[in-house]
Amino acid sequence: NAGVTQTPKFQVLKTGQSMTLQCAQDMNHEYMSWYRQDPGMGLRLIHYSVGAGITDQGEVPNGYNVSRSTTEDFPLRLLSAAPSQTSVYFCASSYSSPGRSTEAFFGQGTRLTVV
Amino acid sequence: GDSVTQMEGPVTLSEEAFLTINCTYTATGYPSLFWYVQYPGEGLQLLLKATKADDKGSNKGFEATYRKETTSFHLEKGSVQVSDSAVYFCALSDREYGNKLVFGAGTILRVKS
Repeated sequence: NAGVTQTPKFQVLKTGQSMTLQCAQDMNHEYMSWYRQDPGMGLRLIHYSVGAGITDQGEVPNGYNVSRSTTEDFPLRLLSAAPSQTSVYFCASSYSSPGRSTEAFFGQGTRLTVV
Repeated sequence: GDSVTQMEGPVTLSEEAFLTINCTYTATGYPSLFWYVQYPGEGLQLLLKATKADDKGSNKGFEATYRKETTSFHLEKGSVQVSDSAVYFCALSDREYGNKLVFGAGTILRVKS
């Protein structure tokens, strides 16, 4: 019963470094999303995907890239980390149901600090 | 765009006290409404949801009713426990492609024994 798995759990980067946050789900969900959580701001959508090969931008996409080559995996790439990207990142997945919103399942989160 | 506003915390209660966390929303469509809970060091998990007006979501003693006339989805529990201490997020999804969620800022709940 793995659900949504994120790695790593913690990461410290220097400004300008690149890295990839990994996200995998084993529930065969079509939809996957990345959110960042900042104090007093709740969670904000970075990028999302409605299926393999299909991605789109959310509310705060700048500085992040995504791709979705398989149903299971949805990595988030930071090409050149900035201190403003210090945050907790959550990956989520859900199944599609026409005309209906379904429950999102979240990973445990990745706490990223950029110094 | 769509938005969610929830009461600021932290909310500190004694065990067995009554809990209300207010949540109001703005949406152009006809959204589904959710409460998610985040326990310390964990990801978010669904607490309850409602998909249409006057629906009541309930789980683990928590309840919330979808009020379209007041655009509200307030969370209530009659008797809180120490184990309810967590961060509570109100969220909406407007049913469009991708199940995208819009979250409120979150409310920290602390329950004292």
